[in-house]
Amino acid sequence: GQQLNQSPQSMFIQEGEDVSMNCTSSSIFNTWLWYKQDPGEGPVLLIALYKAGELTSNGRLTAQFGITRKDSFLNISASIPSDVGIYFCAGSSSNTGKLIFGQGTTLQVKP
Amino acid sequence: DAGVIQSPRHEVTEMGQEVTLRCKPISGHNSLFWYRQTMMRGLELLIYFNNNVPIDDSGMPEDRFSAKMPNASFSTLKIQPSEPRDSAVYFCASSPSGGSGNTIYFGEGSWLTVV
Repeated sequence: GQQLNQSPQSMFIQEGEDVSMNCTSSSIFNTWLWYKQDPGEGPVLLIALYKAGELTSNGRLTAQFGITRKDSFLNISASIPSDVGIYFCAGSSSNTGKLIFGQGTTLQVKP
Repeated sequence: DAGVIQSPRHEVTEMGQEVTLRCKPISGHNSLFWYRQTMMRGLELLIYFNNNVPIDDSGMPEDRFSAKMPNASFSTLKIQPSEPRDSAVYFCASSPSGGSGNTIYFGEGSWLTVV
């Protein structure tokens, strides 16, 4: 079946540093999504990517849909304490909305 | 705008009891999903509906789990009988149709503990 490998598993960084995380797939996806989950809450959509090569920004967040359609990355610039949480990538290879989720990257930011 | 609404937010129940989780999707969304999240297995898709019809239930763990969507604004996930290994956070999510059909929006989850 389809698999998503997300890395790194966890990160502990200093406030102000930039962060990068990525996901790779064993098969081609036509949609990549990035979510953030705060403790006790559901995942919240950060960025959606629908086209190979697409680069999209949302404030300090930037994500790209890899041209091979098998990978995506998320960058966070100038991290702040409220960036703490678990970041998930998710991909879909169909138009039905069925998503496969990565294992998550736990981000901790030291003030 | 109201997001996906789930109830209960937290439930503690004894092994063997029936558990019913409820979900109201975002109005106008045609697809509804039930996910389970655990430390060991992460986010797992249990079942999803499109226009109230179950499309893929291959993620449902076993016959103790069942899900229904009697109308466009309501779905239930039932576990009967419940077991301690069912303890997890259960998320409902919904998605609109059309070009953004793959963008799904999650509720805040139902935190289930079976003792």
